[in-house]
Amino acid sequence: EIVLTQSPATLSLSPGERATLSCRASQSVGTLFAWFQQKRGQSPRLLVYDASNRATGIPARFSGSGSGTDFTLTISSLEPEDFAVYYCQQRGDWPWTFGQGTKVEIK
Amino acid sequence: EVHLVESGGGLVQPGGSLRLSCAASGFTFSSYWMHWVRQAPGKGLVWVSGIYNDGSSSMSVDSVKGRFTISRDNARNTVYLQMNSLRSEDTAVYYCTRDKLGYLDVWGKGTTVTVSS
Repeated sequence: EIVLTQSPATLSLSPGERATLSCRASQSVGTLFAWFQQKRGQSPRLLVYDASNRATGIPARFSGSGSGTDFTLTISSLEPEDFAVYYCQQRGDWPWTFGQGTKVEIK
Repeated sequence: EVHLVESGGGLVQPGGSLRLSCAASGFTFSSYWMHWVRQAPGKGLVWVSGIYNDGSSSMSVDSVKGRFTISRDNARNTVYLQMNSLRSEDTAVYYCTRDKLGYLDVWGKGTTVTVSS
């Protein structure tokens, strides 16, 4: 199965700062790749699909990039509601797999 | 509005069975693949199983093959997860999620399964 490795495990930042989250796949998935946000006690929410397309209703401060094995989610200026756990996910091969998550916490 | 509502979770002994249900509303259910994703306490997300829109085919992660079966009833707008031979490591919140062109765009609130004696 394709293993997704997210880094860092925790990101400590202040509101207004830029957040850069990374995800590396153990083999190429092209752009069959997504990012999710999960707040405490809530279900995951789709942020980005096809590596770089924002999902419906997602603010422009969220952007995704990458292809093949290396992907990045950037939050240009953190809002208070952005502090959460972020997961990457691939659908390039079965079984679909998720990364272990990056927690973005308030510094 | 699009909604997914899971039910059927609970406490079960190791080796026991449960059937989870997910009732869909607000969209043409028969046009979408559907999936189950689980999350153990304090852990990350794990894709469990998915089923084609017409129910003709399904896929599952190796750890549940032979124990879990996904199915659907398009007349009832419902997808199911039959879980047999449950183990402690199956303890998790189970989410039902809609597949829109390969992406999991709508999620239910989840139902909790606890496997313990």
